[in-house]
Amino acid sequence: GAVVSQHPSWVICKSGTSVKIECRSLDFQATTMFWYRQFPKQSLMLMATSNEGSKATYEQGVEKDKFLINHASLTLSTLTVTSAHPEDSSFYICSASGRASTDTQYFGPGTRLTVL
Amino acid sequence: GESVGLHLPTLSVQEGDNSIINCAYSNSASDYFIWYKQESGKGPQFIIDIRSNMDKRQGQRVTVLLNKTVKHLSLQIAATQPGDSAVYFCAENTSGDDKIIFGKGTRLHILP
Repeated sequence: GAVVSQHPSWVICKSGTSVKIECRSLDFQATTMFWYRQFPKQSLMLMATSNEGSKATYEQGVEKDKFLINHASLTLSTLTVTSAHPEDSSFYICSASGRASTDTQYFGPGTRLTVL
Repeated sequence: GESVGLHLPTLSVQEGDNSIINCAYSNSASDYFIWYKQESGKGPQFIIDIRSNMDKRQGQRVTVLLNKTVKHLSLQIAATQPGDSAVYFCAENTSGDDKIIFGKGTRLHILP
């Protein structure tokens, strides 16, 4: 099956700093990538959808200026958490799908962000 | 808003028994459903999916049943093993929309 990777797998940062998380599709071209956030013992909540070469579409309640998403190529999307605060500590998961709207979404392993 | 939900947050099953995890959805426009397994600290892992033109689909040790009349979805795991311990999410999608919406999740606990 298709492989999606994330880097880093775990990051700890100080409050006020920015953190970049990478999501890569390793063996397929991902037209669309999705970013989710998951708090402990909760479900995945979709944050935004990004299509290669265009601006991301954010879900209601997600601050686009705080969570910057870039999908510059068909194999890479990045999520930057700007001016991170302890409440941003969470498990961030990306997924990627190919060109067809019926393509399965393949999920990455997740990135755990801890803001001190 | 419309959402996909689960009846039970935790399910304990004896090793070797069959497990049934249930899910209710409310969006009548949903026509594609997926079950995911998530182990601690990992991303969701695809288990099985089903489209709305079917009411049953079988995989290896897993079966998904779809009842569109009552908007209910279930995942059956045969001969549950310790490695099946995880949180299971149902998710739904609507044709023309590339979003997948996740339900709340059920933790499956295997008793020795």
